Amino acid sequence: GQQLNQSPQSMFIQEGEDVSMNCTSSSIFNTWLWYKQDPGEGPVLLIALYKAGELTSNGRLTAQFGITRKDSFLNISASIPSDVGIYFCAGQLYDMRFGAGTRLTVKP
Amino acid sequence: NAGVTQTPKFQVLKTGQSMTLQCAQDMNHNSMYWYRQDPGMGLRLIYYSASEGTTDKGEVPNGYNVSRLNKREFSLRLESAAPSQTSVYFCASSLLSNSQETQYFGPGTRLLVL
Repeated sequence: GQQLNQSPQSMFIQEGEDVSMNCTSSSIFNTWLWYKQDPGEGPVLLIALYKAGELTSNGRLTAQFGITRKDSFLNISASIPSDVGIYFCAGQLYDMRFGAGTRLTVKP
Repeated sequence: NAGVTQTPKFQVLKTGQSMTLQCAQDMNHNSMYWYRQDPGMGLRLIYYSASEGTTDKGEVPNGYNVSRLNKREFSLRLESAAPSQTSVYFCASSLLSNSQETQYFGPGTRLLVL
């Protein structure tokens, strides 16, 4: 099946640091998405990528759709305490598959 | 707009009991989805409904049934709950079911089966 490998599993960083996380798959996808989930809430869409090679920003967030269509990364610049949460990648071809998530902790 | 709403927020069941999780969206979306989320794993698709009147199995459909009641509502039923169904259940909706459409998620239902 279409399995997504997301890394790292968790990160502990200092406020102001940059963060990078990525997802890889053995299968290709037509769409890559990045979601953030706060405790007790559902995932909220951060960035959607629709074309191989696409690089998209949303404020301090930047994500890229890998050229091979099998990977994507998300960068967060100048992290702040409210960036805390779990970040999920998702790849969509026929249905949507999710990575296991990266749990981000930001120390003030 | 409330977006995607789910009821109940929390539920405790005994093994063998049945229950229905409710989901509604007010965004006039055609497609709706049910996922489960377990620790250390991503969300996994249980069932989806590409449009009113249709439903299809996802990655982990066993032990569940669904009903697309109308365009707004999509329910998930556990006929005989098992401890393995302890999870957080998320409903989602999208305008269409193709890969260019992003999904919007509800707040989740936390289910514990004893």
